[in-house]
Amino acid sequence: KQEVTQIPAALSVPEGENLVLNCSFTDSAIYNLQWFRQDPGKGLTSLLLIQSSQREQTSGRLNASLDKSSGRSTLYIAASQPGDSATYLCARRMDTGTASKLTFGTGTRLQVTL
Amino acid sequence: DGGITQSPKYLFRKEGQNVTLSCEQNLNHDAMYWYRQDPGQGLRLIYYSQIVNDFQKGDIAEGYSVSREKKESFPLTVTSAQKNPTAFYLCASSIGSSGEAFFGQGTRLTVV
Repeated sequence: KQEVTQIPAALSVPEGENLVLNCSFTDSAIYNLQWFRQDPGKGLTSLLLIQSSQREQTSGRLNASLDKSSGRSTLYIAASQPGDSATYLCARRMDTGTASKLTFGTGTRLQVTL
Repeated sequence: DGGITQSPKYLFRKEGQNVTLSCEQNLNHDAMYWYRQDPGQGLRLIYYSQIVNDFQKGDIAEGYSVSREKKESFPLTVTSAQKNPTAFYLCASSIGSSGEAFFGQGTRLTVV
């Protein structure tokens, strides 16, 4: 079964801490991987997109890496702030005929405390 | 501003009714998608469309229908055949079938 898993399901850290969110997938046939942020009751905001030919992408305090061979992606958040509190979702596109399908993990709910 | 607009934000359906959720985008994207989100579960794909007048079933298409008559619009109808329609529905689009996906703000549907 093709699955995307995110661990931990929830995380609480003090402000200023650097943290890593994990995303793993069971099939290494990947076209790209996208990280999203979701605030309660809202839609998803795209954070970073990594193509299968890339190893990492950076945007501000965020850095996402992709290791196809091990089926893993990580989202690194530097110097966390209370405004980073949200649920973070990863989603993978396959490189088969179902290239248009995004498969989502269940997310990591992050709380950054003062 | 370019983006994806979903309406309404909240929708209430009586048993046996069909309801239609609106999704409009002005990003000039070819591909559009509908996802359903339930507590504790990942997003699940209902339908997607890669081009006007063409669409494919996703993982949970039963009880739903869509149309794609215009590039900008991809409405989703939740029919009375959908036995558990209460959920948060999200519409998305991408420039191609494999490009970066962008999402609307969602519609929360509740059966009363």
